[in-house]
Amino acid sequence: KAGVTQTPRYLIKTRGQQVTLSCSPISGHRSVSWYQQTPGQGLQFLFEYFSETQRNKGNFPGRFSGRQFSNSRSEMNVSTLELGDSALYLCASSLDGLRHEQYFGPGTRLTVT
Amino acid sequence: GIQVEQSPPDLILQEGANSTLRCNFSDSVNNLQWFHQNPWGQLINLFYIPSGTKQNGRLSATTVATERYSLLYISSSQTTDSGVYFCAVLPYNQGGKLIFGQGTELSVKP
Repeated sequence: KAGVTQTPRYLIKTRGQQVTLSCSPISGHRSVSWYQQTPGQGLQFLFEYFSETQRNKGNFPGRFSGRQFSNSRSEMNVSTLELGDSALYLCASSLDGLRHEQYFGPGTRLTVT
Repeated sequence: GIQVEQSPPDLILQEGANSTLRCNFSDSVNNLQWFHQNPWGQLINLFYIPSGTKQNGRLSATTVATERYSLLYISSSQTTDSGVYFCAVLPYNQGGKLIFGQGTELSVKP
């Protein structure tokens, strides 16, 4: 089975712009979660989607949003980018997100200048 | 919310040495995973271990759920074991929200 894929792998944006990141889960997995990793805050949960519905959300401002499509692929969007949004964004897929292992993609490294 | 603490934060070993990494968590959890983050940032799954003991080659892990801790053992360490090791727990009733510890940065010297 193919693993979790994320596109793009690297991205450079300017403050104030918006960005969309994409995640394709492992075939058959219905749960996709997003995480932000920064040196100061570590790995923090952004949100989780299951069967096209947001099931849980972390403590991030409304500028961070996401969605999931019927094929379980997910996108996250960050609007009005700030310098502090520079981070590694990781997505994880799981059969159901509850009692099964989560598998991570290679991540998207976002730099905001 | 649930707290996850890993120790030690940093560890330097000579190749061939053994080590034990610890993960404490403050409440009951649905599951627990150990990951190794490679230099490119990808999290590699090591163990899915909500309870009990598992072994995979030179690595093994034990979770004592009733006492809220997990241990990751690395035996005969190699330079390729270097990197950051994360423990992550899944609290009950929070969907797929993994809570990560701050990690243990392991450096294995030749």
